[in-house]
Amino acid sequence: DIQMTQSPSTLSASVGDRVTITCRTSHSISSWLAWYQQRPGKAPKLLIYKASTLESGVPSRFSGSGSGTEFTLTISSLQPDDFATYFCQQYHSYSTFGQGTKVEIK
Amino acid sequence: QVQLVQSGAEVKKPGASVKVSCKASGYTFTNYPIHWVWQAPGQRLEWIGWIIPDNGNTKYSQKFQGRLTITRDTSASTAYMQLSSLRYEDTAVFFCTRGFDSSGYYGDAFDIWGQGTVVTVSS
Repeated sequence: DIQMTQSPSTLSASVGDRVTITCRTSHSISSWLAWYQQRPGKAPKLLIYKASTLESGVPSRFSGSGSGTEFTLTISSLQPDDFATYFCQQYHSYSTFGQGTKVEIK
Repeated sequence: QVQLVQSGAEVKKPGASVKVSCKASGYTFTNYPIHWVWQAPGQRLEWIGWIIPDNGNTKYSQKFQGRLTITRDTSASTAYMQLSSLRYEDTAVFFCTRGFDSSGYYGDAFDIWGQGTVVTVSS
């Protein structure tokens, strides 16, 4: 199994801040990585796939980068609607998910 | 509108079975695989299996092998997830989700998600 390590677990930030979340994998996955946003009691929402491709309808302040074993999700200017939990998913071999990063209001 | 709508919450006793449905609409059901993912309280999401609606082929996580059955009814554009011999630790939210960017090694990114079905195992 490919293990996922996501950091930080919690992030306190203010509206307008630039936020970066990191995901590391135990084996190289090329660019087979997705990022999701999840709100309490709701289904995840796809933000980024293939490491850096923005899903249709997702604001351009979200961006993804990386390949191999290290990946980042960046929110360029945090908006009130962005306070949620974010997690990564590798889909190179089956699917495994990161443990999530909760973005809180500072 | 492309969507997946799941059946409602279930409460089951240990040893029982549960069957959750996932109805697709707004797209051609047989064109995309349906995956099932679960989220136990306070835990990360975990992939449990998938079905290719076109031919009915399935693949299950080893963790659930022997207890999990995923089926589909193409005439109803609906996929089903049945988990048997339920244990207290099976209490979780189960999501169905549509795969759209397969890596070819049973991995996929998920663009459409059902609303989730809470399954509670309690005596």
